[in-house]
Amino acid sequence: DVKVTQSSRYLVKRTGEKVFLECVQDMDHENMFWYRQDPGLGLRLIYFSYDVKMKEKGDIPEGYSVSREKKERFSLILESASTNQTSMYLCASTPSGGGYTFGSGTRLTVV
Amino acid sequence: QKEVEQNSGPLSVPEGAIASLNCTYSDRGSQSFFWYRQYSGKSPELIMSIYSNGDKEDGRFTAQLNKASQYVSLLIRDSQPSDSATYLCAVRVNQAGTALIFGKGTTLSVSS
Repeated sequence: DVKVTQSSRYLVKRTGEKVFLECVQDMDHENMFWYRQDPGLGLRLIYFSYDVKMKEKGDIPEGYSVSREKKERFSLILESASTNQTSMYLCASTPSGGGYTFGSGTRLTVV
Repeated sequence: QKEVEQNSGPLSVPEGAIASLNCTYSDRGSQSFFWYRQYSGKSPELIMSIYSNGDKEDGRFTAQLNKASQYVSLLIRDSQPSDSATYLCAVRVNQAGTALIFGKGTTLSVSS
């Protein structure tokens, strides 16, 4: 089975901190994604990547950046964390055309 | 704006009944359709995918697709309390673009 690993299950950060969320997949998938999930708003796409060093903005990229230096790793960066970025962050990967496999998620609280 | 719509629920069914979950989508060019199950506090898990019109069965689950009506559904037969979860419908608009668009989910509650 494909495994998508997110490095932290829970994080608490202070406003203004730079935050790194890491995601690693072990099945050589080309495509990786970052979503956030909030009650009543569903899953919203932040950024995605279809190849190493390639990135595309999703629906809500403001305040975020990403890095994909290696095929298996896709990092989400909160440049200056704010309280409205408190959320569940979900990483996913897929080969072209298939469904996603999600990581277990990182619940981030910004205080 | 491409949209995927689901009734938020909760949908309540007794144990052993058939649960019917529905989803509509706005983009007629949509090609691939997925159902995910999400337990509270957990990440979504892929349970069904469907790519062509008609029915696709996998155990107690049946996905139904009608592209002319822009409608996809999930039937769960012999519902169990362990099926209680939020079910997310997801649509991929075309094969070249890989990002899925998700509905907000329907919460299913199966009572014993």
